[in-house]
Amino acid sequence: DTGVSQDPRHKITKRGQNVTFRCDPISEHNRLYWYRQTLGQGPEFLTYFQNEAQLEKSRLLSDRFSAERPKGSFSTLEIQRTEQGDSAMYLCASSLPGQGSYNEQFFGPGTRLTVL
Amino acid sequence: GENVEQHPSTLSVQEGDSAVIKCTYSDSASNYFPWYKQELGKRPQLIIDIRSNVGEKKDQRIAVTLNKTAKHFSLHITETQPEDSAVYFCAAPTGRDDKIIFGKGTRLHILP
Repeated sequence: DTGVSQDPRHKITKRGQNVTFRCDPISEHNRLYWYRQTLGQGPEFLTYFQNEAQLEKSRLLSDRFSAERPKGSFSTLEIQRTEQGDSAMYLCASSLPGQGSYNEQFFGPGTRLTVL
Repeated sequence: GENVEQHPSTLSVQEGDSAVIKCTYSDSASNYFPWYKQELGKRPQLIIDIRSNVGEKKDQRIAVTLNKTAKHFSLHITETQPEDSAVYFCAAPTGRDDKIIFGKGTRLHILP
């Protein structure tokens, strides 16, 4: 499968614990996005990278959330001191560079986080 | 701030009839408008998109129309089939960067 992959697919954790998710984009895509999706809602933008540079982070994102893409390939999203409100599906997407226009974002299968 | 409004939130149509989903956006600089389909338990997938230099685009049973003056765009599905049942999301970018804002989604039910 040459699509976007995410690991793990499911994560159950206790409140207060730290969790880390991984996303592997399509190999030639240099843009990578993280979204959060709760039931009945559309994907909510969290942050995005072009190569290893993090270009924007949502104002809604608390300081407990951090994302990295150290070599411009895979990315990790870490949530520290998880809260029950963090329970959601975390989606990763990748795309080719836009260069003034936009290209299709390809989504991964998501990581479903449950905070007990 | 940037906003994308989508309606209706739920839509039921008889198999074979047409379905229309509408979205409005706030950023007048937006110039790309994708529509994604998300089946239950699966990832969102692009089904059609339109750029602001055209007013309509069609792909078999699916069409999208864009009215830049009114800042709204619509998805039209004709001759609906059971496999069209899913949640559909519209989206639009901010004018400044590649951040895409999604609508809240429309759950489409195709009735037999």
